[in-house]
Amino acid sequence: DVKVTQSSRYLVKRTGEKVFLECVQDMDHENMFWYRQDPGLGLRLIYFSYDVKMKEKGDIPEGYSVSREKKERFSLILESASTNQTSMYLCASNLLGDEQFFGPGTRLTVL
Amino acid sequence: AQSVTQLDSQVPVFEEAPVELRCNYSSSVSVYLFWYVQYPNQGLQLLLKYLSGSTLVESINGFEAEFNKSQTSFHLRKPSVHISDTAEYFCAVSDNSNFNKFYFGSGTKLNVKP
Repeated sequence: DVKVTQSSRYLVKRTGEKVFLECVQDMDHENMFWYRQDPGLGLRLIYFSYDVKMKEKGDIPEGYSVSREKKERFSLILESASTNQTSMYLCASNLLGDEQFFGPGTRLTVL
Repeated sequence: AQSVTQLDSQVPVFEEAPVELRCNYSSSVSVYLFWYVQYPNQGLQLLLKYLSGSTLVESINGFEAEFNKSQTSFHLRKPSVHISDTAEYFCAVSDNSNFNKFYFGSGTKLNVKP
């Protein structure tokens, strides 16, 4: 079974803190993705990576950065968390073009 | 860029009734199509997908979707729903001309009532 794991299910941080969200997949997938999910807006792509050390901006990259040092791991970084980054964050991975496999999500609250 | 439209944000339906969740996308040039389901406080799970071949695809729990290239649609149907089908459903399109980038609809909440 493909497995995508995320480091935390729930996270509470304060405004201005640096936040790391980690994602690990165990199926040797080339592509990895970070989305945020907000009610009524569906999933919005923040960043994706198609290879180690490669990254591409998605639709809403502002305020976020990513790191992919190993093929199985893709990290999302909030350099200085703000209240408008309170959201559900979903990580996914896939082979080129085929279905994306999702992690369970991290619900981040920024106070 | 692609866009994916799910016109119905919520669909209430009684148990054992049929249901259709609508999905339209903007361009039919070289795409793969997917439906995902999300239960509360969980990630998304694949329900079914169209990559090529037969335009009618089915899931193991009775859902089906038909790829209609001329209407750029991929509507999801089930002839008889169960309470356990209550969830949010997302349509997604993979654009093969753009890094296989995925585009998701805004989701449809299916609420099955007894």
